[in-house]
Amino acid sequence: KNEVEQSPQNLTAQEGEFITINCSYSVGISALHWLQQHPGGGIVSLFMLSSGKKKHGRLIATINIQEKHSSLHITASHPRDSAVYICAVVSNYQLIWGAGTKLIIKP
Amino acid sequence: EAGVTQSPTHLIKTRGQQATLRCSPISGHTSVYWYQQALGLGLQFLLWYDEGEERNRGNFPPRFSGRQFPNYSSELNVNALELEDSALYLCASSSTGEDHQPQHFGDGTRLSIL
Repeated sequence: KNEVEQSPQNLTAQEGEFITINCSYSVGISALHWLQQHPGGGIVSLFMLSSGKKKHGRLIATINIQEKHSSLHITASHPRDSAVYICAVVSNYQLIWGAGTKLIIKP
Repeated sequence: EAGVTQSPTHLIKTRGQQATLRCSPISGHTSVYWYQQALGLGLQFLLWYDEGEERNRGNFPPRFSGRQFPNYSSELNVNALELEDSALYLCASSSTGEDHQPQHFGDGTRLSIL
């Protein structure tokens, strides 16, 4: 069993829909990252969380330390949000990566 | 818009030498971050520069140092190179130092110590 599991693996939605991507982990962590990878490989760090909730524009990230679960939400999704979203946790000074969620937003 | 650029792409050194890695942030970004990605260890935070000053430092020895220039580009210097310094060094930039601002990563410099 992977230490960091993301769901869904693939998600296709219509423009404007509310998107939720989930991340569950089984190890103790000091922080959790949500990253965005666009076609071509460029990686952008969206959030780093250790507790609670963070918001940046249309993006919201939450983490529940007790349940070892985090969610990334996208409100009013847009085709430019199409990308791979990756959850990665920091555990014992190592970064453990989830497999990623491929999101496609159709106009 | 040009992304974060790093140079050189590859650098080969021997033990005891000194290495200098360079990073140009996205235009308008004032914060530069350096990370080390060693085999099997994941991404480890090295240094954060903002507006020309060192703001934070990871758990690395003093022989890892750097600076940020007035044009916000940055250098990472590693002195007295050791074999375990072989890694991919990634630079990222963000528009401010606030931690919810996205960091944009360069392609990295692969440092190999022989």
